[in-house]
Amino acid sequence: KAGVTQTPRYLIKTRGQQVTLSCSPISGHRSVSWYQQTPGQGLQFLFEYFSETQRNKGNFPGRFSGRQFSNSRSEMNVSTLELGDSALYLCASSPRASVGETQYFGPGTRLLVL
Amino acid sequence: AQSVTQLGSHVSVSEGALVLLRCNYSSSVPPYLFWYVQYPNQGLQLLLKYTSAATLVKGINGFEAEFKKSETSFHLTKPSAHMSDAAEYFCAVNFRQAGTALIFGKGTTLSVSS
Repeated sequence: KAGVTQTPRYLIKTRGQQVTLSCSPISGHRSVSWYQQTPGQGLQFLFEYFSETQRNKGNFPGRFSGRQFSNSRSEMNVSTLELGDSALYLCASSPRASVGETQYFGPGTRLLVL
Repeated sequence: AQSVTQLGSHVSVSEGALVLLRCNYSSSVPPYLFWYVQYPNQGLQLLLKYTSAATLVKGINGFEAEFKKSETSFHLTKPSAHMSDAAEYFCAVNFRQAGTALIFGKGTTLSVSS
């Protein structure tokens, strides 16, 4: 089975712009979670989607949003970019949205905000 | 508050030496516990997972971890380090009361010298 794929792998934006990142889960996986990784804050949970519904949300401002499509692919959007949004954004998929499910991670999208 | 602590941001060992990476969590209810490894410019790869079936969990690449409820610990070990083990290691916890979100430790960078 192919793993989790994320596009694009690298992105450079300027402050105030918006960005959309894409994630395709492992075939058959219906749950997609997003995480932000920065040197200062480490790995932090953004949100989780299952069956096109947001099931869980981390402590991030409303500028961060996401959605999931009927084929389980997911996108996350960050509006009005700030310098502090520079990070590696990781997507993870799991078969179900159950506590204790193993999450399988993609390679990430590295976003640089100038 | 529920939290995950990895003692030691950097660990250095010689090739062939024992690897010990420490992880402690704070929760009155045993959570689900994971160890992930991250190589430079890559996503997270699952090493192993504790699900309460057995306290000693064996993972990939010769790694194993032991769950100790009384110490709220889940330390990662490998009897003999290899140069290819050099990477960053993350302990992650899924607290049962927090839905499916993974809470990560700050990570431990493992260096292996010849």
